[in-house]
Amino acid sequence: NAGVTQTPKFQVLKTGQSMTLQCAQDMNHNSMYWYRQDPGMGLRLIYYSASEGTTDKGEVPNGYNVSRLNKREFSLRLESAAPSQTSVYFCASSERWTEYNEQFFGPGTRLTVL
Amino acid sequence: TQLLEQSPQFLSIQEGENLTVYCNSSSVFSSLQWYRQEPGEGPVLLVTVVTGGEVKKLKRLTFQFGDARKDSSLHITAAQPGDTGLYLCAGARSSYKLIFGSGTRLLVRP
Repeated sequence: NAGVTQTPKFQVLKTGQSMTLQCAQDMNHNSMYWYRQDPGMGLRLIYYSASEGTTDKGEVPNGYNVSRLNKREFSLRLESAAPSQTSVYFCASSERWTEYNEQFFGPGTRLTVL
Repeated sequence: TQLLEQSPQFLSIQEGENLTVYCNSSSVFSSLQWYRQEPGEGPVLLVTVVTGGEVKKLKRLTFQFGDARKDSSLHITAAQPGDTGLYLCAGARSSYKLIFGSGTRLLVRP
């Protein structure tokens, strides 16, 4: 089992360019998440999908869109990248939407916006 | 404003020393988790605590959830270089979304 995979690992964009970050999990998990990690700020939730067919905003959704393509895949799209979106992006999944919410993380995508 | 405050932010110790990392909040959480993150990788779950006052042990790591479920601590006995990493606490509230602390960066010197 690969767990949670993310592509690409690294990306450099110019301001205004668009891109999609891909995430897939092979654990048959129902819930999936996108976070960004910035120095000194821990992980902040961008969007989440509690179950296939649903998506909701997290703490910092502005400038992003998501698609829950199927149970396995959850993509994050930047329509017009800005330097403030330079960060490390992590995708995560959990078995189901419960108070325990134990999450499994991918290796991250390091994005730089010039 | 960080809902979950971790302290210290950075800790550098010698191999064999003991240490404690704290995770504090003014809010009540239904559960609290600890993750460890190594450079270039995603966080990995260490433990989940659910009951106020609960203590869990994972080899040389001891995790405690405060009686009021507002705070937690992680104690490492006889730290080893392999313990080096970023330790993150994360709390779940009624919405089930996790709120992460800013982390404690631990360096254990050989």
